[in-house]
Amino acid sequence: EDQVTQSPEALRLQEGESSSLNCSYTVSGLRGLFWYRQDPGKGPEFLFTLYSAGEEKEKERLKATLTKKESFLHITAPKPEDSATYLCAVPTSGTYKYIFGTGTRLKVLA
Amino acid sequence: GAGVSQSPRYKVAKRGQDVALRCDPISGHVSLFWYQQALGQGPEFLTYFQNEAQLDKSGLPSDRFFAERPEGSVSTLKIQRTQQEDSAVYLCASSLLGSGRALDIQYFGAGTRLSVL
Repeated sequence: EDQVTQSPEALRLQEGESSSLNCSYTVSGLRGLFWYRQDPGKGPEFLFTLYSAGEEKEKERLKATLTKKESFLHITAPKPEDSATYLCAVPTSGTYKYIFGTGTRLKVLA
Repeated sequence: GAGVSQSPRYKVAKRGQDVALRCDPISGHVSLFWYQQALGQGPEFLTYFQNEAQLDKSGLPSDRFFAERPEGSVSTLKIQRTQQEDSAVYLCASSLLGSGRALDIQYFGAGTRLSVL
């Protein structure tokens, strides 16, 4: 069964304290993996798409990486405005369905 | 604005009432998705449209849930005889391409928060 698991569920960091969020997946024939950011009361906002193992993408303080079993979202020197829930999602094979993880709630303290 | 618009933002229904949730996707976007998001959870897929065709409704939890996109733009998610377990945020997303051909970024609306009393 296709599955996406994110860890940790919640993470509190001091401003400037770097860390990583994990997204593990079991999907046959991975076509790609998406990272989204969701602020309270809003819909998810696109961050990255990764297509194959070994691929990396960066945007400001965020870097996403992909292996054959998991993806990491690395946050370098985070700021309070990086506080949000970070979601990963994968399309299933043979259907139009996307599976989202439960997300990591990140809180960055000033 | 040019984003995905959903209405109403909040809906309170008594158990047993019917509700209709509206989604205005980005103009020209082929694909439209509906998701259900419970508190503290990630979005769960409900259904997918490519233009006016509903190509996947495997995530609709029961036959009380019905979605349509008759002219390939605006979509409505209807829930009949609402139950307490239907309380959630309903998110709509659109993307430019048809999902069968390529992966594409989904642009989400802010959602409709449904509370069933």
